Amino acid sequence: EVQLVQSGAEVKKPGESLKISCKGSGYTFSSYWIGWVRQMPGKGLEWMGIIYPGDSDTRYSPSFQGQVTISADKSIYTAYLQWSSLKASDTAIYYCARLGSRAVLWSPVGYWGQGTLVTVSS
Amino acid sequence: EIVLTQSPGTLSLSPGERATLSCRASQSVGSTDLAWYQQKPGQAPRLLIYGASSRATGIPDRFSGSGSGTDFTLTISRLEPEDFAVYYCQQYGTSPWPFGQGTKVDIK
Repeated sequence: EVQLVQSGAEVKKPGESLKISCKGSGYTFSSYWIGWVRQMPGKGLEWMGIIYPGDSDTRYSPSFQGQVTISADKSIYTAYLQWSSLKASDTAIYYCARLGSRAVLWSPVGYWGQGTLVTVSS
Repeated sequence: EIVLTQSPGTLSLSPGERATLSCRASQSVGSTDLAWYQQKPGQAPRLLIYGASSRATGIPDRFSGSGSGTDFTLTISRLEPEDFAVYYCQQYGTSPWPFGQGTKVDIK
């Protein structure tokens, strides 16, 4: 069974750094693109970016380029999303999302993590 | 960059009624590159439809998708109590894989 298990909720202050994680199991982690989706309070879904753990090829949505860093460690089946300096506007739920087709970038999301709530407040 | 516009914003219906949700793209989408997701409060989204009209594994046949080019539709033939949720369309054929803003289906 495919599972994506994300790290727990975080409460941070503006300017702090943060790295959240998403551990995959039940499939060949290195062979599927995995990305991150933001959902701000009461709002819709926004793709942030995506990575292919097999070779670390990473693509960012223009709105998030330079704002976050996506990485993966295929040896421990884990993808990461990190910020170097958080802002209050980063308060949101962040979902990791694995694409449905092996090695295919242009495919829908087949599996979702449970979400990580990040709260940034002074 | 393709922009997806969903309508209506909210659809108020009763169980047993038919729901028709629209998703319009700002430019033509490959007919195989449109998905629909369902999201219930406090849960992650779930894939319902991919390739505009193919149901994902385990999705009941009361859910159907149609359309091509710039106009796509998700139809729920007879609403069950568990179908009241928010629905998002997504184009996944080009970066940055945009989602529509969502349609909320709530109980009338």
